[in-house]
Amino acid sequence: EAGVVQSPRYKIIEKKQPVAFWCNPISGHNTLYWYRQNLGQGPELLIRYENEEAVDDSQLPKDRFSAERLKGVDSTLKIQPAELGDSAVYLCASSPLLLRDTGEGYTFGSGTRLTVV
Amino acid sequence: DAKTTQPPSMDCAEGRAANLPCNHSTISGNEYVYWYRQIHSQGPQYIIHGLKNNETNEMASLIITEDRKSSTLILPHATLRDTAVYYCIVRALLEQLTFGKGTKLSVIP
Repeated sequence: EAGVVQSPRYKIIEKKQPVAFWCNPISGHNTLYWYRQNLGQGPELLIRYENEEAVDDSQLPKDRFSAERLKGVDSTLKIQPAELGDSAVYLCASSPLLLRDTGEGYTFGSGTRLTVV
Repeated sequence: DAKTTQPPSMDCAEGRAANLPCNHSTISGNEYVYWYRQIHSQGPQYIIHGLKNNETNEMASLIITEDRKSSTLILPHATLRDTAVYYCIVRALLEQLTFGKGTKLSVIP
């Protein structure tokens, strides 16, 4: 099994430019999460999807961030325009809906490291 | 407000047991203790979780005090590959995983 696949692995952009990250969750996992991890900090939840519905986006900065999960499978996280403070690692995770309760079903991807210059 | 307190860093000699402490003095009766770890340049990985009984799996053991106000993750024979940041998380069912800063464990040859 491939696990949670994220791309690109690294991205360097100039401020004010747009950027997009892609996530392919584990097959059959209904729940998908986007986390942001700043240097030296733990990951922070940005948005959670149950199938194609965003059920928790309270931490997503909606003025510049957007996300979508078409057909309840792959997901894209976009930033437009990017700011210097957006430099971080963006992690995607997925879990099976039925096992979400246990907490052990979260599988994380390796993340996209974004550098805004 | 952080629900857990962990030392920022620890060292452990290769082959010895690594004991990682976590304080969670305000834990509620319905909250579990979870441990995840994050190896450099990878996403977090689930290790173990428990409610009040001690737990053991192929990766580690989790010891929870009787009053549930603290716990210890034990890696019985640490290897260089166990060098990572270890996160102790208190979570009730249906809640999100909320990560703190964790403990950076360095396994030394």
